[in-house]
Amino acid sequence: DTGVSQNPRHKITKRGQNVTFRCDPISEHNRLYWYRQTLGQGPEFLTYFQNEAQLEKSRLLSDRFSAERPKGSFSTLEIQRTEQGDSAMYLCASSLGSGTGYSNQPQHFGDGTRLSIL
Amino acid sequence: DAKTTQPNSMESNEEEPVHLPCNHSTISGTDYIHWYRQLPSQGPEYVIHGLTSNVNNRMASLAIAEDRKSSTLILHRATLRDAAVYYCILRDPDSWGKLQFGAGTQVVVTP
Repeated sequence: DTGVSQNPRHKITKRGQNVTFRCDPISEHNRLYWYRQTLGQGPEFLTYFQNEAQLEKSRLLSDRFSAERPKGSFSTLEIQRTEQGDSAMYLCASSLGSGTGYSNQPQHFGDGTRLSIL
Repeated sequence: DAKTTQPNSMESNEEEPVHLPCNHSTISGTDYIHWYRQLPSQGPEYVIHGLTSNVNNRMASLAIAEDRKSSTLILHRATLRDAAVYYCILRDPDSWGKLQFGAGTQVVVTP
């Protein structure tokens, strides 16, 4: 079990630049989640994939954010025209789960990408 | 969505038990109670979950009140490695299993 891998671990960029993060889930996991965490707060849900289909997006995910999961394997999260408020830890999680219904399977998290906007 | 209430922080001595309370008075009949923890500079880690009956695993025990309006996570012998933020979460059956974290309880373990 290699766990969930996220790259890069840290990203520092200037306001207005675009950034892209990558998440490699546990290989047999078909569900993938993105969360955002700011200092002192718990993670907040951003979006969810079942295989390659993006099935739910939070209202937190503005039109500057886009996530993809081509072929149902790794996923990318892109932020365009970054703003100061985008500074946070971006966490990816994956889990098993079949069908289109609720799953009680535990989520396995990566250690996140910390984004700092100058 | 049903919410949970946890104390901001708790302290424990090493090798002593830790009882972490969680109130969830608006829990629905189908909500599972999940616990995750987050060590410094790491992503959250699954600890345990349950519906109605008490549950045990290698990491902890989960005691669920009979009316399900509260639960307690029990760490039987705290170690320094158990110092983390512990989150009590209700899994919404209509939301593809997304986790809705609160602020959690910061556990401090003293040698």
